[in-house]
Order: sequence, then C-alpha cells, then structure tokens
Amino acid sequence: DGGITQSPKYLFRKEGQNVTLSCEQNLNHDAMYWYRQDPGQGLRLIYYSQIVNDFQKGDIAEGYSVSREKKESFPLTVTSAQKNPTAFYLCASMGFGYTFGSGTRLTVV
Amino acid sequence: ELKVEQNPLFLSMQEGKNYTIYCNYSTTSDRLYWYRQDPGKSLESLFVLLSNGAVKQEGRLMASLDTKARLSTLHITAAVHDLSATYFCAVDPGTYKYIFGTGTRLKVLA
Repeated sequence: DGGITQSPKYLFRKEGQNVTLSCEQNLNHDAMYWYRQDPGQGLRLIYYSQIVNDFQKGDIAEGYSVSREKKESFPLTVTSAQKNPTAFYLCASMGFGYTFGSGTRLTVV
Repeated sequence: ELKVEQNPLFLSMQEGKNYTIYCNYSTTSDRLYWYRQDPGKSLESLFVLLSNGAVKQEGRLMASLDTKARLSTLHITAAVHDLSATYFCAVDPGTYKYIFGTGTRLKVLA
C-alpha cells in the first residue's frame, strides 16, 4: 500500500544537538511538506518542496533545514539554532489533497 | 494576508445533539478539505470539497462548501463519543500549499 512513513516516532534531542527526522513516500507525489504542531495548536509550515532539488521556506523555517535529493524522501534537520524544538512534526505529500505521515514527537532533554 | 478561521475553537456537546462547525476563509478557492485529528495522532482526511455547492456526507458528518460566501460547514448529527477529536479545515489557494484553520476541538459528553 502507498503512504508516507515518518521515523522515528519519538525523538529526544540534547541541547546543542542537530537531529534529523525522516520522511519517505511511495505515492509518486512531487510536492512534500513539513509542518510543526505545538500542543493544542494548529499546523505551521516549516518547509515545502514542489520538485526534486528544489524547496522553499515556509512560515517558520528558522532553525530548520531540509533537502530533496530524491522524489521519495524529504528529511528535516532540526538544528541547534532552533531554540524551542519540542513539538509534534508532521510530513505530508500532495496528490489529490494532502496525505500525512504518522508524525514524529520531538522532545528536548 | 490569507486567513482561515474556524469557530468555535472548542465545542463540548452532549451525545445525541446536533451542531455545526464553521470555516471561513479570506482567499478565492474552489477546493476545501476537512481533516480529523485524534489526540497524539496525525491528521486523517475526511472530506474533499471541489466546487461551489458541494456536499459530502459520511456517517454522522456532513460537509458543505459555499465558495461565494467563502464558507464551509461541518455538520454533526446526533453526536456520539467516538466523534471527539480536533477538526481542521484547509483551503487550497492554488499556491502549492494549503492554509489550515485553527482547528475545532470537539468533546462529546456521554
């Protein structure tokens, strides 16, 4: 079955550490997205990519980086510059509407 | 600025009652989506509304779209506890990225 796989499900980051969240899709979708969700809040767009080797900043890109070397993969790196990274991170791809992955919950320890 | 506003933000209702969630948006769009999110989970697609006057129904939920009024509604009929979740609407303004509403947290009381 086609879908989006995010890993890991839970991630713990130490102060000053960079961590990378994985997002893989086998839906053959061109466009992919990363969203951040804080507790009780809506979704905020971090980065998106419409095509391989191209991506654009969303509304809250500071402290994050992405790459899009393959159509299937859109990893997100949370850098040490992101001072408050604790949140739920959702990856999505666009076909006929968004399809979301199951999410990664990131906690700073 | 493109905005999508939902109301109410919080809704506590008794089982068996009816209620409507509203989604107003400020941009021109013919496509609107409704999603459901259970606590700690991802978003699940509920409805895709593609044109003015579109109406979709699934079980106790019915969604409609009025593009002239820039309004979509999600109507809940005879609510049951299993419908407790957060509901998001999202608008496709044709810019490759959807704009999400603030979400409506629904709690159905037994």
